[in-house]
Amino acid sequence: SQELEQSPQSLIVQEGKNLTINCTSSKTLYGLYWYKQKYGEGLIFLMMLQKGGEEKSHEKITAKLDEKKQQSSLHITASQPSHAGIYLCGADNPGTYKYIFGTGTRLKVLA
Amino acid sequence: DTEVTQTPKHLVMGMTNKKSLKCEQHMGHRAMYWYKQKAKKPPELMFVYSYEKLSINESVPSRFSPECPNSSLLNLHLHALQPEDSALYLCASSHGQGGQGGELFFGEGSRLTVL
Repeated sequence: SQELEQSPQSLIVQEGKNLTINCTSSKTLYGLYWYKQKYGEGLIFLMMLQKGGEEKSHEKITAKLDEKKQQSSLHITASQPSHAGIYLCGADNPGTYKYIFGTGTRLKVLA
Repeated sequence: DTEVTQTPKHLVMGMTNKKSLKCEQHMGHRAMYWYKQKAKKPPELMFVYSYEKLSINESVPSRFSPECPNSSLLNLHLHALQPEDSALYLCASSHGQGGQGGELFFGEGSRLTVL
């Protein structure tokens, strides 16, 4: 079965610093999703990537998909305390509803 | 504001109790999901309903019983649970078109404590 490994597991950065979170799949990626979760709450969808080389941005967050490497990265520019939370990558497979999540990255941003 | 509503937000139950978690969405989504999340772990898929039929059961113990009365509602019936079943239970929905989920829309979760 497919597994998604994220790195780093946790990250503490000073406000204003840039950071990158990686997500590596054990199998071919057909669709890669990024979510953010505040502690003890539901997940909020951030971005979806479907094609190799695809890059999407929303406000200060940019996500890229490297299909060949079966990897995606999430980059935050000029981090703010509001970016703090748990970032999870997710993937599904064509023809199924089996939707799995990565191991998660806990981000703290110090003001 | 989330468009997936879960009730109750918190539930405490004994091992002999029977209780239910409820989830509702009015976005016309045809796929609905139950996930279990333990502290500092990612959500684990439990069940998926597509077009009101159970399409995925991830070998979940029978003390968890899902039900999808209609396309907007999803229940999770709980009976004879164990303390290790204490977790955050998350409901989600997606468009579910063409056998692919697309992005998931999550509720805020039901925090379950089994004594």
